[in-house]
Amino acid sequence: EIVLTQSPGTLSLSPGERVTLSCRASQSVSSNYLAWYQQTPGQAPRLLIYGASSRATGIPDRFSGGGSGRDFTLSISRLEPEDFAVYYCQQYGTSPKTFGQGTRVEIK
Amino acid sequence: EVQLLESGGGLVQPGGSLRLSCAASGFTFSNYAMSWVRQAPGKGLEWVSTISGSGVSTFYADSVKGRFTISRDNSENTLFLQMNSLTAEDTAVYYCAKDRGSSSWYPSDYWGQGTLVTVSS
Repeated sequence: EIVLTQSPGTLSLSPGERVTLSCRASQSVSSNYLAWYQQTPGQAPRLLIYGASSRATGIPDRFSGGGSGRDFTLSISRLEPEDFAVYYCQQYGTSPKTFGQGTRVEIK
Repeated sequence: EVQLLESGGGLVQPGGSLRLSCAASGFTFSNYAMSWVRQAPGKGLEWVSTISGSGVSTFYADSVKGRFTISRDNSENTLFLQMNSLTAEDTAVYYCAKDRGSSSWYPSDYWGQGTLVTVSS
């Protein structure tokens, strides 16, 4: 099983700031099949990024994904109020399709 | 518009069974793999199972293998999750999700609102 470790656990930031979240895999992710999701309280997750760097339909360009192999990042160029949420990475190239434990981005 | 509507959740005793359903609309159901993902109260996301668009291929998390069975009825645009031998550790919101492609190796791009399963005596 591929274990995904996200860091940091929590970030306290202000609107307008830039943020980069990290997701490290215990082994190489097949074909860079790495996705990022956003979840706000009481809501279902929303797909942001797939294939490590491709934005999903309707996702603003302030969200960008990068990385390959074992190390991946999600960046948000300028935080909007609606971006304060929990972010999860997921690898979907190998069964089981594991998630990271999540990074909470909270308002400072 | 893609819509996924889960049903079948509720309170069940340890050792019991439950069958979840997910009614899909707004896309050609048989062209896409489907997944179940769960979230225990206050915890993170846990992938449970994926079934290919044809229904031929299925995959399970180790935590549910041998107890849960994923299936689909492409004529009725419905996804199922049969859950047996339930324990308290299975208590969670269960999300039905549409994957981006027909095989099992895609992320989930649309999600239902979830159905709560509570395992307790």
